[in-house]
Amino acid sequence: GDSVTQMEGPVTLSEEAFLTINCTYTATGYPSLFWYVQYPGEGLQLLLKATKADDKGSNKGFEATYRKETTSFHLEKGSVQVSDSAVYFCALKERGGSEKLVFGKGTKLTVNP
Amino acid sequence: DADVTQTPRNRITKTGKRIMLECSQTKGHDRMYWYRQDPGLGLRLIYYSFDVKDINKGEISDGYSVSRQAQAKFSLSLESAIPNQTALYFCATSGNGQGGQPQHFGDGTRLSIL
Repeated sequence: GDSVTQMEGPVTLSEEAFLTINCTYTATGYPSLFWYVQYPGEGLQLLLKATKADDKGSNKGFEATYRKETTSFHLEKGSVQVSDSAVYFCALKERGGSEKLVFGKGTKLTVNP
Repeated sequence: DADVTQTPRNRITKTGKRIMLECSQTKGHDRMYWYRQDPGLGLRLIYYSFDVKDINKGEISDGYSVSRQAQAKFSLSLESAIPNQTALYFCATSGNGQGGQPQHFGDGTRLSIL
């Protein structure tokens, strides 16, 4: 079945550092791809999405590009802030059937001042 | 007000008890989902519903049941709770559009079974 693999954390960075969280996927079709963020004590919030190859999703300084050739959707941010500390989940959405989200295991990011 | 509301936010109960977790939404979405989150495992789908008359099992439905009382309400029940059902439970909704429609999540219910 479909699956998502993302880099294991935790990741600890200093403020203003560059962030990359790797995400690769396995899917039989052409899924939509998402990054969700979970702040402490809260639910998951959509961070960005891409629905087809070469699409770039962006939001709040974060970016990710749908790379079909490498089946990847890596999350990047040029300069992280303390407020970016959270758990980040990469997910794909199956087309047809349940259209459920298949999640990676999550990567915890801590940004220190 | 939250678009997807889960109640209760926290619950501690004993093995063997019947538990109901409730979810209501004001987004007007037809599709609703229940997931559980366990540390290091991400989220896994328990049940989903595409409309009031449609209920489907997800990948980990054993030990759970659901009821879609109305378009806006989708409840999850544990008929006889056991300790390995201790987890964080999320309800989510999405629109009917193809492909890129994201799912919108509630803030979760933290359930502990002793």
